[in-house]
Amino acid sequence: DIQLTQSPSFLSASVGDRVTITCRASQGISSYLAWYQQKPGKAPKLLIYAASTLQSGVPSRFSGSGSGTEFTLTISSLQPEDFATYYCQQLNSYPFTFGPGTKVDIK
Amino acid sequence: EVQLVESGGGLVKPGGSLRLSCAASGFTFSSYSMNWVRQAPGKGLEWVSSISSSSSYIYYADSVKGRFTISRDNAKNSLYLQMNSLRAEDTAVYYCAREVGSGGTGGFDYWGQGTLVTVSS
Repeated sequence: DIQLTQSPSFLSASVGDRVTITCRASQGISSYLAWYQQKPGKAPKLLIYAASTLQSGVPSRFSGSGSGTEFTLTISSLQPEDFATYYCQQLNSYPFTFGPGTKVDIK
Repeated sequence: EVQLVESGGGLVKPGGSLRLSCAASGFTFSSYSMNWVRQAPGKGLEWVSSISSSSSYIYYADSVKGRFTISRDNAKNSLYLQMNSLRAEDTAVYYCAREVGSGGTGGFDYWGQGTLVTVSS
């Protein structure tokens, strides 16, 4: 099975900050990676798919990059509504594993 | 508008069974692979199972293989998860999610609100 790690696990940031989250896969997954945002008590929301394609309706301050084993999610200017937990997911092969999550909190 | 609505969760004793349903609307259900994803209280997301549009391909996480069965009824626009031999560690919110793109390349673009399954004596 492909394992995903995320760093950091937790980050504290201020409104307007640039935030970068890294996701690493235990083996190459080409660009078969998605990023999700989840707020407490809510279902996850798809932000990015195919590593760098912005899902329709998602603000352009979100961007994704990477291929192979290392990927990043960047929020260019953090907004109040962006405080949430972010998960990466690999869709290269079953099981479609998720990363452990990165919680973005208010500084 | 795409909608996914789960039902069937509840409290069940260890060793018991439960059947979850996911009613889909607002899209051509028979054209999409569907998935179940769960989240234990205070924990991260765990992919559980996937079924292709015509039920030809089915996959399970090792943690549920042999105990859970995914199925779908395209005529009823419904997805199911039959859960047998339930354990305390199966306690979670269970989400159904639509898979977009061939081979999942588009990720899971729509999710239901989730249904809570609690396994406890």
